[in-house]
Formats: sequence, structure tokens, C-alpha cells
Amino acid sequence: GQQVMQIPQYQHVQEGEDFTTYCNSSTTLSNIQWYKQRPGGHPVFLIQLVKSGEVKKQKRLTFQFGEAKKNSSLHITATQTTDVGTYFCAATNYGQNFVFGPGTRLSVLP
Amino acid sequence: SQTIHQWPATLVQPVGSPLSLECTVEGTSNPNLYWYRQAAGRGLQLLFYSVGIGQISSEVPQNLSASRPQDRQFILSSKKLLLSDSGFYLCAWRDRPYGYTFGSGTRLTVV
Repeated sequence: GQQVMQIPQYQHVQEGEDFTTYCNSSTTLSNIQWYKQRPGGHPVFLIQLVKSGEVKKQKRLTFQFGEAKKNSSLHITATQTTDVGTYFCAATNYGQNFVFGPGTRLSVLP
Repeated sequence: SQTIHQWPATLVQPVGSPLSLECTVEGTSNPNLYWYRQAAGRGLQLLFYSVGIGQISSEVPQNLSASRPQDRQFILSSKKLLLSDSGFYLCAWRDRPYGYTFGSGTRLTVV
């Protein structure tokens, strides 16, 4: 079955530093989504990417879908303490249920 | 606007006891509904999904079952809980083509 991997598993950054998490699939994807889960909370949908090479921005967050549609990245510029949480990618291939990656846990030191 | 309600927020149950978790959705009709489980520090595992009343698809064979007695109600059950059933249970619905909206979740500890 489809497997979704994320790296790194954990990331500790100083406030103001940049952060990137990567999502990789063993198969070609049609859609990829990104979620954020604050400590003790539930996942919240951030964005969906569908086009090869697509880049979308939300304030300090930049999301990218790989040209081969097998990988994606989430980059946060100048992290803040409010960015703390676990970032999950979720991927699908045309109509199948989304498969979630294991997540990258981000901690931001003030 | 659409909202999703899930309860209880936390639950401590002894091994061998039954389980019933309920999820209801407001503001939409005929939603696709999902039950996920998240082990501590781990990703989300899809347990069941439903595309309509009485229609349940199981993704992982286990000690749990699901039912959808009404359009906007999704129930997760177990007749006898195991220690391995502990986790964070999340109900979700998906408004295609957008992402999943999750409920606030139930933290289940089986002791």
C-alpha cells in the first residue's frame, strides 16, 4: 500500500530561525495536504496542493509540491513560538483515502 | 457553518469494558465521515469511514466497530476494550475538495 514518510521526526529551532519539513511518497500522488496539530489539540487543515511543481504561500509558510508529484515540503520563515506543534502531510492517489505521514514535531525556543 | 462535535474529551476505561464514542456533524448533509486513531507521538491511522447511512468501510481489522445510524452521526464502539486500544480518537468529515475537519478528539486510556 501507499506509504508516506516525513523527515525530520523532530526539529528544535531558536525563535527566528527557519524550519523545513519534507514529505515523501513511494508512489505518485494526485493531491497532498498539510495539517498542523498544536500540543494537546487536533489536526487543523492548512492547505492542499494538486499541481506538479505547485508553490503556495500562507504568510510565513511556503508549501511546495514536487515536479514528479512524489514529494512535498513545508517551509516556515522566521519561526515564532506560535508555530510550535506537529506538522503532518497527508497524501492520496486519485480517489483513495488520504494516508497521513508520521509528522514532524517542531519546538521553538524563545 | 459546519461544525463537528465529539465527546467525551477524556475517558478512562478498564480492560474488558465496552466503549461508545459519538460524533455528530452540523451544517452539512450526507458528509463523508471518518474515525482516526492517533497513538502517543504518532501519526493518524484511519480506522473506519462512511459515505452514507449504514455504510461502513473498515481500514484496519481490530477490536473496534463503527456505525452510522443517522446522516450526521458516527459512532465508534467496542464490546471489550484491550490495553492496545488506548489512544487519541478523532472523528472527521471531509468537504471535498478541501481537507478534513477534525473534532476535538477523545483521549482514551484503557487500564
